[in-house]
Amino acid sequence: QVQLQESGPGLVKPSETLSLTCNVSGASISNRNYYWAWIRQSPGKGPEWIASIHYNWGTYYAPTLKSRVTMSIDTSQNQFSLRLTSVAAADTALYYCASIPDHHYAMDVWGQGTTVTVSS
Amino acid sequence: DIVMTQTPLSSPVTLGQPASISCRSSQSLVHTDGNTYLSWLHQRPGQPPRLLIYKISNRFSGVPDRFSGSGAGTDFTLKITRVEAEDVGIYYCMQTTQSSITFGQGTRLEIK
Repeated sequence: QVQLQESGPGLVKPSETLSLTCNVSGASISNRNYYWAWIRQSPGKGPEWIASIHYNWGTYYAPTLKSRVTMSIDTSQNQFSLRLTSVAAADTALYYCASIPDHHYAMDVWGQGTTVTVSS
Repeated sequence: DIVMTQTPLSSPVTLGQPASISCRSSQSLVHTDGNTYLSWLHQRPGQPPRLLIYKISNRFSGVPDRFSGSGAGTDFTLKITRVEAEDVGIYYCMQTTQSSITFGQGTRLEIK
């Protein structure tokens, strides 16, 4: 059974770069049957998809964040990562990672989330 | 991007009574492979969203059969036959037909 665990810095200063990692257990990050995703949720708001990645088929980014986001896979650590540059207060949110098996293309397993606060 | 619009935004329901949530997409969610990748998630306070329904009407593992999904094209519905206390929270529809994934704004289910 897939399990996901996010990790991150907690607090980031405005204009700096946010780096998050999602550790995957129960499945190989290079499994061709999975996409992996990052989603965030600002306080009191609904989920916002940020990016998805497939080991073979590439990376997809939300248009509103595309210029600042990079998502990557680390097969040696069985994890995937997110980099968000030039952060601002609007990037303060709970960041989740999720798995998307290709037999139903739904986000079926979510991590517990990691809180990111952008503040000086 | 496909815009997902849910109604109502809030739904007060009596325990044991049915509930229904609608989700409309700004364009058809039928994928070129013939499938429709519309799913429903439930979020309780302080928890991550949990998958309930995928591909319009398929219940995810462990989801009670009081939950059902229906619809086609651009109009979809989540129904709960008899609401239980544990069903409170926010329900989201989500489309993964396009690679740019989008969510509905959420419907808050509360007990009267």
